[in-house]
Amino acid sequence: EADIYQTPRYLVIGTGKKITLECSQTMGHDKMYWYQQDPGMELHLIHYSYGVNSTEKGDLSSESTVSRIRTEHFPLTLESARPSHTSQYLCASQRGLYGYTFGSGTRLTVV
Amino acid sequence: TQLLEQSPQFLSIQEGENLTVYCNSSSVFSSLQWYRQEPGEGPVLLVTVVTGGEVKKLKRLTFQFGDARKDSSLHITAAQPGDTGLYLCAGSTSYDKVIFGPGTSLSVIP
Repeated sequence: EADIYQTPRYLVIGTGKKITLECSQTMGHDKMYWYQQDPGMELHLIHYSYGVNSTEKGDLSSESTVSRIRTEHFPLTLESARPSHTSQYLCASQRGLYGYTFGSGTRLTVV
Repeated sequence: TQLLEQSPQFLSIQEGENLTVYCNSSSVFSSLQWYRQEPGEGPVLLVTVVTGGEVKKLKRLTFQFGDARKDSSLHITAAQPGDTGLYLCAGSTSYDKVIFGPGTSLSVIP
């Protein structure tokens, strides 16, 4: 039973399109994160939020933006997708200093 | 810059064998987590270790946190094909930042 949900699971879009990757959690966690990961490779932090109306950029430079209007919702938007954005995007939430709960990810392919 | 290193990067073993993977850093962490990730899925938290020298067991998996809280190991006894996946360690700093290692990709052959 998943407590953090990501949609869509798979997405193939054309270059230049605007897309939003959805992430919602039902655990009431304040902290939420977006990571980018190529298959079998390490995770790269692209955005994080420690609460409503709080967002920060991560270590990996990204052309995406995020918003945190509600505790449970942390969407990621790409204004103009490019082939270099092809990757897996993982959303996670965290309670206090405990470990992360990850979603199943969105596999994005930009053609 | 704080870094976590994991070794080996890749590991392929036969079912029934034992193995150990390592997570090392020059930095001290307030806690350390281990995750397993299956292809196409998000990582799943296996354990969190907090105290230097701490040992935790989860069925056939044994996790150890180094005395100085700079390193950790994961030992799997009698590996099974279901253990196949990417094993990630992640360290939490005193500044509430989590750093992930690059992972060890384990393949257990039936």
